Amino acid sequence: GENVEQHPSTLSVQEGDSAVIKCTYSDSASNYFPWYKQELGKRPQLIIDIRSNVGEKKDQRIAVTLNKTAKHFSLHITETQPEDSAVYFCAAHNAGNMLTFGGGTRLMVKP
Amino acid sequence: SAVISQKPSRDICQRGTSLTIQCQVDSQVTMMFWYRQQPGQSLTLIATANQGSEATYESGFVIDKFPISRPNLTFSTLTVSNMSPEDSSIYLCSAISKGVQDKITPDTQYFGPGTRLTVL
Repeated sequence: GENVEQHPSTLSVQEGDSAVIKCTYSDSASNYFPWYKQELGKRPQLIIDIRSNVGEKKDQRIAVTLNKTAKHFSLHITETQPEDSAVYFCAAHNAGNMLTFGGGTRLMVKP
Repeated sequence: SAVISQKPSRDICQRGTSLTIQCQVDSQVTMMFWYRQQPGQSLTLIATANQGSEATYESGFVIDKFPISRPNLTFSTLTVSNMSPEDSSIYLCSAISKGVQDKITPDTQYFGPGTRLTVL
């Protein structure tokens, strides 16, 4: 089955700096890679996703890149703000409609 | 995005009892799932709820402990049976659809708000 590794597990940045979270996956058949943000006590919320036919996708301060050859994808947050503080989960979705989640990254943005 | 609701939002239960969690989606979906999330941990898939047939359980989860129903395309229940303190966790319902007629973007998976269960 699919295995998703996520790094780092915790990340602390100064407000205004960039944050990068990286994930690797094992199943080359995986074709869809969403990122979820989970604030304390809340449900995971989809913030951006990328499909296997695209190498990069951007939405304002958030971007995701995908390297299918190396089987890794990354989340980039620029100009971080305190409200970006949360736990971020990457996931890989295969043809069987199953999402496998990474272990999560706790991002702390210090004012 | 789809609206997924769960009931109850939280509960405190005695060991040995059972709790049934309800999940309602505001549009027809092709797949529904149940996850467990321990404090500070990632999401672990318990099972896929299949409409009109037995759920498909992941390794480590069994039907006798976590019976699941899905009588129609928008509703599912998860029961946590014969509870012990180790079952204390957040249980999340999730839904995905490949449909083009409904509100949910194909392949996008959404989550309910979760049910926080504490077993004493």
